[in-house]
Amino acid sequence: TQLLEQSPQFLSIQEGENLTVYCNSSSVFSSLQWYRQEPGEGPVLLVTVVTGGEVKKLKRLTFQFGDARKDSSLHITAAQTGDTGLYLCAGAGTASKLTFGTGTRLQVTL
Amino acid sequence: ETGVTQSPTHLIKTRGQQVTLRCSSQSGHNTVSWYQQALGQGPQFIFQYYREEENGRGNFPPRFSGLQFPNYSSELNVNALELDDSALYLCASSLEQGAEAFFGQGTRLTVV
Repeated sequence: TQLLEQSPQFLSIQEGENLTVYCNSSSVFSSLQWYRQEPGEGPVLLVTVVTGGEVKKLKRLTFQFGDARKDSSLHITAAQTGDTGLYLCAGAGTASKLTFGTGTRLQVTL
Repeated sequence: ETGVTQSPTHLIKTRGQQVTLRCSSQSGHNTVSWYQQALGQGPQFIFQYYREEENGRGNFPPRFSGLQFPNYSSELNVNALELDDSALYLCASSLEQGAEAFFGQGTRLTVV
C-alpha cells in the first residue's frame, strides 16, 4: 500500500512568517501534486511536479520534488491569512488515481 | 468554479439505509473518480469510471458501487450504511485518464 505522510499535521503561525510542509513516501510516483482545500469545498490543484529535483514557484509558494521522486516540500514565504487551509499532497499513479497524503492544516493569524 | 457539481450537498441517513450520491462532470470530461474524505484525513480513492466502465478500485467493500452514464455523469451508491461511512464524498472529473482532476464541492454524508 502506498502511503504519503505529511508533516506537520497542524501549523499555526502569524502573518509574515515563513513555513515548510513536507510530504514523504516510501514509493515512487510518476508525478506529485499539491492541493489546497478550504472548508466546505473540494481540493483545488496548486501545482504538479514531474521530474526528480524539480522546483516550481507560484508567487510566494515554492514546490520541490525530491531527486528520487518519493518526497516533496511546499514552502510559503511571508504567509498571509488567505493561505489558511488544508494542504494536501497527492501521488499520481495509474489512470488518474490519486493517493493523498494525511494533510497539513495551516492557520495564519494576524 | 470547476464545473463539477455534486448533489446533494448534505445528507443525513440512518445506519442500514442505502444512499445515492450524484456527480455531473465538467463538460467534455469522460473520466470520473470518487473519493471518501473522513474528518481530518486526506481523501481516499474509492473507484474511477472511464467511458461508462469501472477503471480501478480502491480498498472499499462491494457495498460501495457506482455507475457512469452516457453523458459521463456518475453516481455513487452505498448500501447497508455504517456509522464509519460518515464522511465528505468527493467527485473529480478529468478530460482523459491521467489528465488534471477537477473536484466538486463534495457531499457531506452523516450516518446516525
